[in-house]
Amino acid sequence: DVKVTQSSRYLVKRTGEKVFLECVQDMDHENMFWYRQDPGLGLRLIYFSYDVKMKEKGDIPEGYSVSREKKERFSLILESASTNQTSMYLCASRDIRNQPQHFGDGTRLSIL
Amino acid sequence: AQTVTQSQPEMSVQEAETVTLSCTYDTSESDYYLFWYKQPPSRQMILVIRQEAYKQQNATENRFSVNFQKAAKSFSLKISDSQLGDAAMYFCAYRSQGAQKLVFGQGTRLTINP
Repeated sequence: DVKVTQSSRYLVKRTGEKVFLECVQDMDHENMFWYRQDPGLGLRLIYFSYDVKMKEKGDIPEGYSVSREKKERFSLILESASTNQTSMYLCASRDIRNQPQHFGDGTRLSIL
Repeated sequence: AQTVTQSQPEMSVQEAETVTLSCTYDTSESDYYLFWYKQPPSRQMILVIRQEAYKQQNATENRFSVNFQKAAKSFSLKISDSQLGDAAMYFCAYRSQGAQKLVFGQGTRLTINP
């Protein structure tokens, strides 16, 4: 079974802090994704990566950056956290053989 | 750009009965994939069922089946013999052939009444 692990289930940070959300997958998947989930809006793609050091903007990249130094790890960075970034963040991974995405358990992030 | 719409924010059904969740999508492409994901209170998104657009036959997974109407751009999920464990948020999602990203609908919260 594919395992996608997000480092924190709940996180509370302050406005202006630099925040790191970590995601690790154990199936050697090429593609990894970061989504944001908000009530009534579903999931929206922030960034995705199709290989080490390769990234592509999703639909809502503003205020976020990502890092993929190793194939199994994909980090989402909030450079200067703001209250409108309070949300649930979901990481997913997928291999290139037309398989569906596998998701982590999500990180509920609160910015105070 | 593709969009996915789930017009039912909440649905409820009696245990053991059948419920249908609606999903419509907008695309100009002919080759794509459609998915239903389930997110229970534990928060893990679980794939329920997938449909390839080129297949005319509706996908089925045990008690879960879809009604895929390509011309109408409709992709509804039918849950038969509803069980308490089916209570969750359900998301409809679209992916273009050859693309990486999923486009999600707004979600439908399904409640199962005992």
